[in-house]
Amino acid sequence: QKEVEQDPGPLSVPEGAIVSLNCTYSNSAFQYFMWYRQYSRKGPELLMYTYSSGNKEDGRFTAQVDKSSKYISLFIRDSQPSDSATYLCAMSVSGANSKLTFGKGITLSVRP
Amino acid sequence: DAGVIQSPRHEVTEMGQEVTLRCKPISGHDYLFWYRQTMMRGLELLIYFNNNVPIDDSGMPEDRFSAKMPNASFSTLKIQPSEPRDSAVYFCASSKGGTGGYNYGYTFGSGTRLTVV
Repeated sequence: QKEVEQDPGPLSVPEGAIVSLNCTYSNSAFQYFMWYRQYSRKGPELLMYTYSSGNKEDGRFTAQVDKSSKYISLFIRDSQPSDSATYLCAMSVSGANSKLTFGKGITLSVRP
Repeated sequence: DAGVIQSPRHEVTEMGQEVTLRCKPISGHDYLFWYRQTMMRGLELLIYFNNNVPIDDSGMPEDRFSAKMPNASFSTLKIQPSEPRDSAVYFCASSKGGTGGYNYGYTFGSGTRLTVV
């Protein structure tokens, strides 16, 4: 079993839809949880960061962490074509700046 | 700041040849990471440095891979000899040490797309 599992996708939704992206993990020592967004032929960029359990909201994006279930989610409201990208979850024991373990990523396409 | 700079952007080489990938991290960042990305395996950490010192190289696939960081502004990843299964996108990322979240996340370069034929 990989440390971090992510739904493989791809995922295609119409513009304006609510998108839910999920990851599960097995290492209970993970404390820092991130979502990175990667556009085609670019490097990933940090989108959301959460420490421990709970929710964080930033505009149309909400990140949720449930440590008891070892499950994290990213919700995108009112999805836009510009949200079309690959989304990777990432986790760390010791910080957003240190060794990260990534999910394989899911490619999202938002249709106009 | 120009961000993390990687070169070359694309590299096509023949099996058995030596390949050197280069990275310039963001000034002031004291962590540097080398990742490899493939469709099958996703992003895998190869090695990372803190203050130019290798901290964890457990992800380096085998002795054909080596990485150096001679100073705070430059790192190389070398593959010798290269094999077709090394074909992937290689990313360099840097980050700033310390506690906190967003300010200390990774900044990735644009990657080097390596094809070994």
